[in-house]
Amino acid sequence: QITLKESGPTLVKPTQTLTLTCSFSGFSLSTSGVGVGWIRQPPGKALEWLAFIYWDDDKRYSPSLKSRLTIAKDTSKNQVVLTMTNMDPVDTATYYCARTIFGVLSSWFDPWGQGTLVTVSS
Amino acid sequence: NFMLTQPHSVSGSPGKTVTISCTRSSGSIASNYVQWYQQRPGSAPTTVIYEYNQRPSGVPDRFSGSIDSSSNSASLTISGLKTEDEADYYCQSSDSSNLNVVFGGGTKLTVL
Repeated sequence: QITLKESGPTLVKPTQTLTLTCSFSGFSLSTSGVGVGWIRQPPGKALEWLAFIYWDDDKRYSPSLKSRLTIAKDTSKNQVVLTMTNMDPVDTATYYCARTIFGVLSSWFDPWGQGTLVTVSS
Repeated sequence: NFMLTQPHSVSGSPGKTVTISCTRSSGSIASNYVQWYQQRPGSAPTTVIYEYNQRPSGVPDRFSGSIDSSSNSASLTISGLKTEDEADYYCQSSDSSNLNVVFGGGTKLTVL
């Protein structure tokens, strides 16, 4: 059974850096074709892809947030960490991590973690 | 990146069939697989269709996916509607040029 769980602060202040950890089990990040992605969802709004990291440590970021995001993995700990700098109230959202499957014609996410709500407020 | 456009909402009666469209703004819909996720209120998304028309194990065959090159769109069809199908549905694909992921804006399905 594959499970993922997000952890991190529930409240951050504007301008602070957010660090989220995705802890997973049931798969290995050393397996070819597999990775972990981050997706967020502001309250009442749509899903937005943020970043993912490949089994070979390659990384991709959303163009609109690339300058603020860093993703890294610790294969031995089965963890992936996402940092987002200069947080703003518009970044208030539920943040999900998900196993990412890298296919020939697309990448996709399955399964997803339960999500963690991060509120940005002073 | 291209955009994926979905209707804001659709509705149907129990036992009926509904179809949700996902139109790609540029580039061919056939260039990259499309996935569909179901998100019930208060829950994380789950995959109901991947690679245009493949169903993960455990997803009933009432869910099916297809593409239409003439309209440059993908569709999710749910037959034999049940009240438990009431949820938000998101399509998702990738951009071959940069491997970025694109989500549609989501469609709220109401089962009346």
